[in-house]
Amino acid sequence: QLQLQESGPGLVKPSETLSLTCSVSGDSISSSSNYWGWIRQPPGKGLEWIGSIYYSGTTYYNPSLKSRVTMSVDTSKKQFSLKLNSLTAADTAVYYCGRHPPGSGFRFDCWGQGTLVTVSS
Amino acid sequence: QSALTQPASVSGSPGQSITIPCTGTSSDVGSYTYVSWYQQYPGKAPKLMIYDVSNRPSGVSNRFSGSKSGNTASLTISGLQAEDEADYYCSSYTSSTSLVFGGGTKLTVL
Repeated sequence: QLQLQESGPGLVKPSETLSLTCSVSGDSISSSSNYWGWIRQPPGKGLEWIGSIYYSGTTYYNPSLKSRVTMSVDTSKKQFSLKLNSLTAADTAVYYCGRHPPGSGFRFDCWGQGTLVTVSS
Repeated sequence: QSALTQPASVSGSPGQSITIPCTGTSSDVGSYTYVSWYQQYPGKAPKLMIYDVSNRPSGVSNRFSGSKSGNTASLTISGLQAEDEADYYCSSYTSSTSLVFGGGTKLTVL
């Protein structure tokens, strides 16, 4: 079955750029049945959708984060990635990658385990 | 976009039923059937429990049900069990082609 695994640095400095990768196994990253997305959760707080990407490169971003977010897909590596720039302490969160079907209204039916990212000098 | 509104906490005794409301606007909950509910245990990833307002994914107990009226969606858990104690989040598709979550509700089983 589909499995997702996030990877990236646990600590990033303010003003720098966060780079995270999600590795996909158990299904094709190029499948027409999958959109891939990122969601984050600050410690003790709620969930926030960051954005979603299709294997073709089509992207949808949270309007409040759009100016700082870039997502990409590497089909050869079976990975998709998130870059978030101009980091502040408010970006400290557990970052999850997930999968949702096209045309599902961003219904995430599979999630990675999450990775904690701390923004601190 | 503003987060959907959920009560911070709800509680109930085993065997009882509880309902968690999720209030949005005419730009999200009120205009689309793309409302989902997620269950999250501490330190774990969320799990999809309800999608498209009232549909259950395979494997989710039929004690969980969803509904919507106007700008408010609701999650009902019947026959409350200790294992249901968790955080619950609603989400909705929006007119901005984006996704918005609720602030989350902590369910305590007394």
